[in-house]
Amino acid sequence: DSGVTQTPKHLITATGQRVTLRCSPRSGDLSVYWYQQSLDQGLQFLIQYYNGEERAKGNILERFSAQQFPDLHSELNLSSLELGDSALYFCASSGAGGAWNSPLHFGNGTRLTVT
Amino acid sequence: DAKTTQPPSMDCAEGRAANLPCNHSTISGNEYVYWYRQIHSQGPQYIIHGLKNNETNEMASLIITEDRKSSTLILPHATLRDTAVYYCIVRVGTDYKLSFGAGTTVTVRA
Repeated sequence: DSGVTQTPKHLITATGQRVTLRCSPRSGDLSVYWYQQSLDQGLQFLIQYYNGEERAKGNILERFSAQQFPDLHSELNLSSLELGDSALYFCASSGAGGAWNSPLHFGNGTRLTVT
Repeated sequence: DAKTTQPPSMDCAEGRAANLPCNHSTISGNEYVYWYRQIHSQGPQYIIHGLKNNETNEMASLIITEDRKSSTLILPHATLRDTAVYYCIVRVGTDYKLSFGAGTTVTVRA
């Protein structure tokens, strides 16, 4: 158990809809990362937050947004969903001490299916 | 940014040591080597990381060559539950994120 909690585990929705994925980081970790894994793309970095502030952005679509709340949990919002957004979405956390080389610890993901 | 090269797949016999190679010839002096694995769509699991010294923990050992251009992850006694995709990652500079490549699919056979 990595200590990172993601909810829900599974999500099935229709095209055009909006969903919210939730992540609770490990106790004390200040950084939260979101990754997308689809069958043909591997693990792609989307975005990182550190103590409530956006720190780095990867290949995140404009239809997607994220935030990190004062209690350090994070939410990834996906809107105007398309079939191609079907994927596993992973959250990771790191850096209770803030060190840049602290390992990332991943949750078990949310499987999103867009029909 | 530094990139890694791993064999796409390898087999290992149960109970034997599994040696997973990784090349990272463009690694810079302050860049760490990380190893993760992913078992069938579960979240990637952290295994070990190191800078230039060899490292060992309860899961594995990491051997980094003196010139730091390559490394080997050693699973000392592979079990069927070690079947997974193993990722070797070089963390670039002060880049907090990890960039995953294709990894090595390791199959442990009874």
